[in-house]
Amino acid sequence: QSALTQPPSATGSPGQSVTISCTGTSSDVGGYNYVSWYQQHPGKAPKVMIYEVTKRPSGVPDRFSASKSGNTASLTVSGLQAEDEADYYCSSFAGENNLVVFGGGTKLTVL
Amino acid sequence: QVQLQESGPGLVKPSETLSLTCAVSGYSISSGYYWGWIRQPPGKGLEWIGNIYHSGNTQYNPSLKSRVIISVDTSKNQFSLKVSSVTAADTAVYYCARSLLTVTRVSFGSWGQGTLVSVSS
Repeated sequence: QSALTQPPSATGSPGQSVTISCTGTSSDVGGYNYVSWYQQHPGKAPKVMIYEVTKRPSGVPDRFSASKSGNTASLTVSGLQAEDEADYYCSSFAGENNLVVFGGGTKLTVL
Repeated sequence: QVQLQESGPGLVKPSETLSLTCAVSGYSISSGYYWGWIRQPPGKGLEWIGNIYHSGNTQYNPSLKSRVIISVDTSKNQFSLKVSSVTAADTAVYYCARSLLTVTRVSFGSWGQGTLVSVSS
């Protein structure tokens, strides 16, 4: 059982927007501004899309945005494209005794 | 551009020790960043195993801490993972990774391709 809760699946059509949630507690998501989001295509290593809740690394399209409210973080993918179909994982800092916790992942399907 | 490459046995017997090495090229581990291990059981999600800094300071997932050792060899520009007393539950793709920023331990920006380690007799 993962520390952070994500919906197992999300679906959207090309051009639409989809939002994926990531729920934790005040000991992780709610307590720190260190939420990251990763995209993982089948058979590939994860790729960081968002860090520190809202920041995009260089090269990540601005179609990817994120936010946090209380103990829940959210990733929004706008203008869905076929290549956005992948698994998405959130992670959060969870204190010095358990540095990084992950969500169980959400499979995004682009219809 | 930094590159990471995992290596080690693909099959380990139950109760034995899993040993993997991550060779780093394109960047000197001694120069900074945090270096981590993350694993992913087949068809399942990601699990952080632990981090090491070039100084040798380590932090581990508390659920694995009693069985895990991460070490660094700056002369070979590589870091290593050992997991003892393995069971079938340790079967996973093991990734090594570098932190995204020099000051951030909790986001990983560069990853190896991953290596599948199966635990079976």
